[in-house]
Amino acid sequence: DAGVTQSPTHLIKTRGQQVTLRCSPKSGHDTVSWYQQALGQGPQFIFQYYEEEERQRGNFPDRFSGHQFPNYSSELNVNALLLGDSALYLCASSLPTGNSRYEQYFGPGTRLTVT
Amino acid sequence: DQQVKQNSPSLSVQEGRISILNCDYTNSMFDYFLWYKKYPAEGPTFLISISSIKDKNEDGRFTVFLNKSAKHLSLHIVPSQPGDSAVYFCAASGTGGTSYGKLTFGQGTILTVHP
Repeated sequence: DAGVTQSPTHLIKTRGQQVTLRCSPKSGHDTVSWYQQALGQGPQFIFQYYEEEERQRGNFPDRFSGHQFPNYSSELNVNALLLGDSALYLCASSLPTGNSRYEQYFGPGTRLTVT
Repeated sequence: DQQVKQNSPSLSVQEGRISILNCDYTNSMFDYFLWYKKYPAEGPTFLISISSIKDKNEDGRFTVFLNKSAKHLSLHIVPSQPGDSAVYFCAASGTGGTSYGKLTFGQGTILTVHP
């Protein structure tokens, strides 16, 4: 049973560029959430996708956008990269109802470095 | 505005002894709380949770205590084992009608268990 997978593992981009990160949820899960974890901090909620729509969003600018595909996989896009976007980006999958909404399964993350 | 705080960046304990990790929250809308464990190069892993209708939840060596009046929760690990060495994150969520599983995390506590 494959868990949550993310690609790529590491990424180096230049300020002003755009980046796309990918996530495949755990088998049987249809809800995908994205988090940003800066060094020494806890993960911060970016947004959540369910039924191919953004269902909830955290305090992140519109430069952060996403997409969910019919097979429940998801992409996170960040435009006009800033140095402050350097972080570990975590994808988490879950079921949409009950306590399963909160007991999320996380992938290993994508380490993004903006230079 | 840090709504979930873990004031101890690190904790060191001897194998076999008790580890106590603490967490405080400020948002009164939070009513579901979780602990996640994170090893290097891996995503956070769900450990244990507690609803605000309870004050204690136990799972094997792990027990979470919730004090709603103090807005404080703690995780007890007894007995501690070297394999428990990891970063522990406290997380919280509201369970109201528009809550879809957005988790708010603390900064994490690095637990080191010495043999």
